[in-house]
Amino acid sequence: DAKTTQPTSMDCAEGRAANLPCNHSTISGNEYVYWYRQIHSQGPQYIIHGLKNNETNEMASLIITEDRKSSTLILPHATLRDTAVYYCIVRVGISGAGSYQLTFGKGTKLSVIP
Amino acid sequence: DAGVIQSPRHEVTEMGQEVTLRCKPISGHDYLFWYRQTMMRGLELLIYFNNNVPIDDSGMPEDRFSAKMPNASFSTLKIQPSEPRDSAVYFCASSLVQGRAGNLNEQFFGPGTRLTVL
Repeated sequence: DAKTTQPTSMDCAEGRAANLPCNHSTISGNEYVYWYRQIHSQGPQYIIHGLKNNETNEMASLIITEDRKSSTLILPHATLRDTAVYYCIVRVGISGAGSYQLTFGKGTKLSVIP
Repeated sequence: DAGVIQSPRHEVTEMGQEVTLRCKPISGHDYLFWYRQTMMRGLELLIYFNNNVPIDDSGMPEDRFSAKMPNASFSTLKIQPSEPRDSAVYFCASSLVQGRAGNLNEQFFGPGTRLTVL
């Protein structure tokens, strides 16, 4: 799997956009970028994933650079409930032995401040 | 949909006792995963099933751990005998691997079972 690098922590004012960066310079052509978050005392929650095009859903937007070596997760209007650890994971998107292992690194602890 | 359901939410037991954790995946999902999370080791995949069949149990720490999935709506993770080092939060997750490309790793996690072995 491609290694990912994320900042340890970030603060964001409530109501503002939270932009969480992730570097994955060794990503392969068949690897997707997945984002999860884990709110304290809860299970990890899938947010979004993408291959090379930008993606948007009801939770967030994912911007992937043209060379695919980095990406940014955008929470357009952060609320206090978005305070969590956010994980960027790079994985292949096809089945096969070991394909389902989600390796959660240390992630970025996002604190949304009132 | 109620999401992935796990029970119990908290379990405190003594060393040597048998522990059974339960999971009900999201209806219609064809993959089920068991993870363990500790501060030291983070989130680890223990085993996963596809259509009720165990596919990869290489993450199961030792023979004291066993998992079953007798039908599409129920799975158990059993520890016998339990040891203090098994104390952790155990998560069950399910996934539907079809449809949009890349959704292989779109896994839906339950709330977890916090296990404490004294």
